[in-house]
Amino acid sequence: NAGVTQTPKFQVLKTGQSMTLQCAQDMNHNSMYWYRQDPGMGLRLIYYSASEGTTDKGEVPNGYNVSRLNKREFSLRLESAAPSQTSVYFCASTPGTSGRDEQFFGPGTRLTVL
Amino acid sequence: SQQGEEDPQALSIQEGENATMNCSYKTSINNLQWYRQNSGRGLVHLILIRSNEREKHSGRLRVTLDTSKKSSSLLITASRAADTASYFCATEGTYKYIFGTGTRLKVLA
Repeated sequence: NAGVTQTPKFQVLKTGQSMTLQCAQDMNHNSMYWYRQDPGMGLRLIYYSASEGTTDKGEVPNGYNVSRLNKREFSLRLESAAPSQTSVYFCASTPGTSGRDEQFFGPGTRLTVL
Repeated sequence: SQQGEEDPQALSIQEGENATMNCSYKTSINNLQWYRQNSGRGLVHLILIRSNEREKHSGRLRVTLDTSKKSSSLLITASRAADTASYFCATEGTYKYIFGTGTRLKVLA
């Protein structure tokens, strides 16, 4: 099992450009999450999907959209990138839907917006 | 909106020593989790302790939970250079789990 995979690993964008971060898990997990991690800070939840077909906003959703394409895949889209979105983005998944399970994390995408 | 806050922010010890880091939180919880993050990597789950548990062990890790003080501690015994990482506690918040800002542990060989 690959666990949680994320693409790309690194990305540099210019202000105003758009891009989609991809996340996939092969553990048949129900819930998936997108976080961002800024220097010296913990993870902040952007969006989550408790189950296939549902998505909900987290703490910092502004400037982002998500799609739960199927049970395996959960993508994060930046429609018009801003320098404030420079961060490391992590995708995670959990087996259940309660949000109280152990989370499995991907390796992260390091995004720089110039 | 931080729920969990780790203390200290940074810790530097010699190999073989024990490392203790603490997490305080604000509201009642059902469980608390600890994660490790090696530099440039994703987080890895270490241990989950439920609100009705006071202590839990996993290998060289010992976690305690004091719900009356709303605090938890993570003890790593006989530390190794490979334990160098950031450690985060995660507690329940409005948006599923809320992660603290972490303790950066450096173990010197």
